[in-house]
Amino acid sequence: EAGVVQSPRYKIIEKKQPVAFWCNPISGHNTLYWYRQNLGQGPELLIRYENEEAVDDSQLPKDRFSAERLKGVDSTLKIQPAELGDSAVYLCASSWPRASEAFFGQGTRLTVV
Amino acid sequence: AQSVAQPEDQVNVAEGNPLTVKCTYSVSGNPYLFWYVQYPNRGLQFLLKYITGDNLVKGSYGFEAEFNKSQTSFHLKKPSALVSDSALYFCAGPQGGGGADGLTFGKGTHLIIQP
Repeated sequence: EAGVVQSPRYKIIEKKQPVAFWCNPISGHNTLYWYRQNLGQGPELLIRYENEEAVDDSQLPKDRFSAERLKGVDSTLKIQPAELGDSAVYLCASSWPRASEAFFGQGTRLTVV
Repeated sequence: AQSVAQPEDQVNVAEGNPLTVKCTYSVSGNPYLFWYVQYPNRGLQFLLKYITGDNLVKGSYGFEAEFNKSQTSFHLKKPSALVSDSALYFCAGPQGGGGADGLTFGKGTHLIIQP
């Protein structure tokens, strides 16, 4: 069974440019999460989806970040415009409904210069 | 607020010796607690979880964790360390009251197993 797939693995952009990350969750997992992991820190939740509905986006910086999960499967996280402080690893994870453990993708390492 | 804490930035253990990576929690209600491992340039891998039942939870790669309610701890253990166990370990608990609410993570503990 394929795991959570993310692309791209690495992205370098100049500040003020837009960037998008894509995630394909494990088949059948209705719950999808986006996390941000800063260097030397644990991941921090940005947004959680149940199917196509964003049920918790309280920690998503909505002035520049947006996300969507059309058809309740794949998801895209976008930053526009990017700032230097957005440099981090962006992790996508998925899980079964009301299950406890989440399975993580390999992440996208974003560097903003 | 729900939180977990990992008091050690780094733990050094000789190969073959037992290892312990510490985690304490502050979670209301019945805690759901997890351990994940992260290898360089890799995503997080699930090791084990505690939901309810036996306080000693067994997980992947020979790891186990002991839930201690009186000490609000959930330490990760392994009887005999391998060099390949060297990685970054994260303790995590639920952000909300349920298991699918998303996780709040500790800052991580670097485990270094010396040959």
